[in-house]
Amino acid sequence: DAGVIQSPRHEVTEMGQEVTLRCKPISGHNSLFWYRQTMMRGLELLIYFNNNVPIDDSGMPEDRFSAKMPNASFSTLKIQPSEPRDSAVYFCASSSSTETQYFGPGTRLLVL
Amino acid sequence: GENVEQHPSTLSVQEGDSAVIKCTYSDSASNYFPWYKQELGKGPQLIIDIRSNVGEKKDQRIAVTLNKTAKHFSLHITETQPEDSAVYFCAEGQAGTALIFGKGTTLSVSS
Repeated sequence: DAGVIQSPRHEVTEMGQEVTLRCKPISGHNSLFWYRQTMMRGLELLIYFNNNVPIDDSGMPEDRFSAKMPNASFSTLKIQPSEPRDSAVYFCASSSSTETQYFGPGTRLLVL
Repeated sequence: GENVEQHPSTLSVQEGDSAVIKCTYSDSASNYFPWYKQELGKGPQLIIDIRSNVGEKKDQRIAVTLNKTAKHFSLHITETQPEDSAVYFCAEGQAGTALIFGKGTTLSVSS
């Protein structure tokens, strides 16, 4: 199995631009999680989906952030407009019916 | 709200020594406690987990203990090696919900 796949691995953009992060979960997994990691705040859950349905988006910072999961094999996290404080590493993770979550390699985002 | 406190934030040991990282949690409904290892530039990787129906679990040089009454759990690494150097995260959760992570412990093993 290829594991969780994220793209791009690195993204540098200017303030105000739209950023789209992509995730392909492990085949057969029915839960998908988006996390943000910073030095100050550690690993924070942004949103998670069960069977493609958003269950908890209380961690989404503000309306500039949105996430979709149109099917079981693909999810996007979009930031529009981006701000320098959004600079972080964004991780996607997936799990099956057990609680074990498997993380992707992350997308390192830098907003100038 | 629920949170996980993890200590210490940094830990330096000599190769061959043992390392212990401790976490406490607040949600009594939690029944799943994984530990993740994160190497530089990579995503967290699960190294061991424990569920609330057991008190201890071992996997070679790694062991985890759980005290549900006191709401704390610990990671024990014996005979540490330089390749054990990484950031370790504890987490807690339950079936059907997301995990809550500790702030992480940076372990440095010097040879």
